[in-house]
Amino acid sequence: DTAVSQTPKYLVTQMGNDKSIKCEQNLGHDTMYWYKQDSKKFLKIMFSYNNKELIINETVPNRFSPKSPDKAHLNLHINSLELGDSAVYFCASGGWNYGYTFGSGTRLTVV
Amino acid sequence: GESVGLHLPTLSVQEGDNSIINCAYSNSASDYFIWYKQESGKGPQFIIDIRSNMDKRQGQRVTVLLNKTVKHLSLQIAATQPGDSAVYFCAENGKGGGADGLTFGKGTHLIIQP
Repeated sequence: DTAVSQTPKYLVTQMGNDKSIKCEQNLGHDTMYWYKQDSKKFLKIMFSYNNKELIINETVPNRFSPKSPDKAHLNLHINSLELGDSAVYFCASGGWNYGYTFGSGTRLTVV
Repeated sequence: GESVGLHLPTLSVQEGDNSIINCAYSNSASDYFIWYKQESGKGPQFIIDIRSNMDKRQGQRVTVLLNKTVKHLSLQIAATQPGDSAVYFCAENGKGGGADGLTFGKGTHLIIQP
């Protein structure tokens, strides 16, 4: 079983569209995260959710909205997509006590 | 702001040799450090971690060294194999708990030459 799974793996869309990326973890962790990896491979945290509550919201445009229906799921919805949103987005779960497990990533390309 | 960084963007080693990847961090409150390996098209994969109450930890073919005095972290890979080719990231958790995520360094691309 995949510990942290996210879909889709690839997403190509036009500017201005709205899209969602889904993430699920079966590790029983209370905390889930979204990270963005840019073209230079730099990974930066975007959001942290603990038991369905937003904990961290780094400097991310409000076009990005995480939604957590339960502690095993953390979806990322993006409105009005822009070219600069093109990146690889990683979901992760875990924390200081358990370590952090990452999904395989969603490569978003905005054209 | 405080950040975690790597000294070398690319490291090329001969197959069978040992490799050392270095990382400097500036957040003195950091107390949990992790090394990740990322292969092309995949997510970061956990290699080894170390907490601030230790200065060395060993795994299978990997060793992490932590020098809190100079805020330096290193990953040693013994007898490198072709499968070790990847980008390696150090990451730190600076607040010791809660729902804080990781701060990543910029990554080092390790190339294993035959």
